[in-house]
Amino acid sequence: DGGITQSPKYLFRKEGQNVTLSCEQNLNHDAMYWYRQDPGQGLRLIYYSQIVNDFQKGDIAEGYSVSREKKESFPLTVTSAQKNPTAFYLCASSILQAGEKLFFGSGTQLSVL
Amino acid sequence: QKEVEQNSGPLSVPEGAIASLNCTYSDRVSQSFFWYRQYSGKSPELIMSIYSNGDKEDGRFTAQLNKASQYVSLLIRDSQPSDSATYLCAVTRLRNTPLVFGKGTRLSVIA
Repeated sequence: DGGITQSPKYLFRKEGQNVTLSCEQNLNHDAMYWYRQDPGQGLRLIYYSQIVNDFQKGDIAEGYSVSREKKESFPLTVTSAQKNPTAFYLCASSILQAGEKLFFGSGTQLSVL
Repeated sequence: QKEVEQNSGPLSVPEGAIASLNCTYSDRVSQSFFWYRQYSGKSPELIMSIYSNGDKEDGRFTAQLNKASQYVSLLIRDSQPSDSATYLCAVTRLRNTPLVFGKGTRLSVIA
């Protein structure tokens, strides 16, 4: 079955630690996105990529980094510079010419120890 | 600054009633409008898209768009307890630009 796989489902970060959230898709979609969702809030864009080896900052990119070395993969690193990382992180993908129809992964809940 | 605004709710309606969810947006040149449904702890799923003024119906759902007034709404007829979720409004200015989401409206359908 085609889809988007995020892992892990739950992740705990110690202070000063970098952690990486995985996102893999087998839908052959060009564009991939990372959103952050805080309780009772909507989705805020962290980074997005429309082509391999290229990505753009979203509204809240500070303290995060990404890479897009393969079309299928778009990992997100939450660095120690992100002082309030506790949130639900959602990865999504879309066909480039229909960017609004997002297909979401099941999400990763990140908490700080 | 592009903004999408929704009443956070909760909006409570009795089973079988019509639920009306509203969304306003600030970017006048926005072109595409979407409603996503999100159950607690789950990822959003697309339920409706609308691109031109007027109404668009899909089963029990109707999306309404008024670009002059910069609002988009979602009507859910014959509401069911399974419709209880958060409904996110999303807007994009151009194709191939990322969606901007509202904070969502929490809907509770009471049996």
